[in-house]
Amino acid sequence: KAGVTQTPRYLIKTRGQQVTLSCSPISGHRSVSWYQQTPGQGLQFLFEYFSETQRNKGNFPGRFSGRQFSNSRSEMNVSTLELGDSALYLCASSGTGKGNTEAFFGQGTRLTVV
Amino acid sequence: SQKIEQNPEALNIQEGKTATLTCNYTNYSPAYLQWYRQDPGRGPVFLLLIRENEKEKRKERLKVTFDTTLKQSLFHITASQPADSATYLCALDPNQAGTALIFGKGTTLSVSS
Repeated sequence: KAGVTQTPRYLIKTRGQQVTLSCSPISGHRSVSWYQQTPGQGLQFLFEYFSETQRNKGNFPGRFSGRQFSNSRSEMNVSTLELGDSALYLCASSGTGKGNTEAFFGQGTRLTVV
Repeated sequence: SQKIEQNPEALNIQEGKTATLTCNYTNYSPAYLQWYRQDPGRGPVFLLLIRENEKEKRKERLKVTFDTTLKQSLFHITASQPADSATYLCALDPNQAGTALIFGKGTTLSVSS
């Protein structure tokens, strides 16, 4: 079956702009988690959506937000971009219920803020 | 808060040797711990999961051990190959569901022939 798909793969934005990233999970997966990866901080959890509801949230400012649609596709939005938001943004989908513990990651969206 | 630390940051070994990577964590129980591999420019790929009641897990040339008293997991690659060169990440799995994972910063392994 198809893997996790993230679009776009690369993005260049200017400080102060906003950006929307998209993630299509593996068919049948209802949980989507978003992560930010930078050389200094590593992979950090942003938030998780399950059945269109935010279920878990990491320690990021309110400029970072997300949503999930009824088909489980998810988007994340970053408003008022800062240079420090330049990163690889990864999403991961997981099956439901305990025992389905593997996270499947997409290839990521490389965001550069100039 | 939960913290997870990986050592070393970088490891260079000769082909055929065993690579041993360490993951230490604090403020976390019960424990599910996962290991991932990440190649440059790509998303992490799941390798192994170990639960707190499991002392050891194996998959082909990979072996993971888990000591909940020491709050430490060791990841071993035996008979290493140049193709094993990558960054290896350990992650706490607080929901036991592969969601909202807490990652270490990784160990970058280089295997030379």
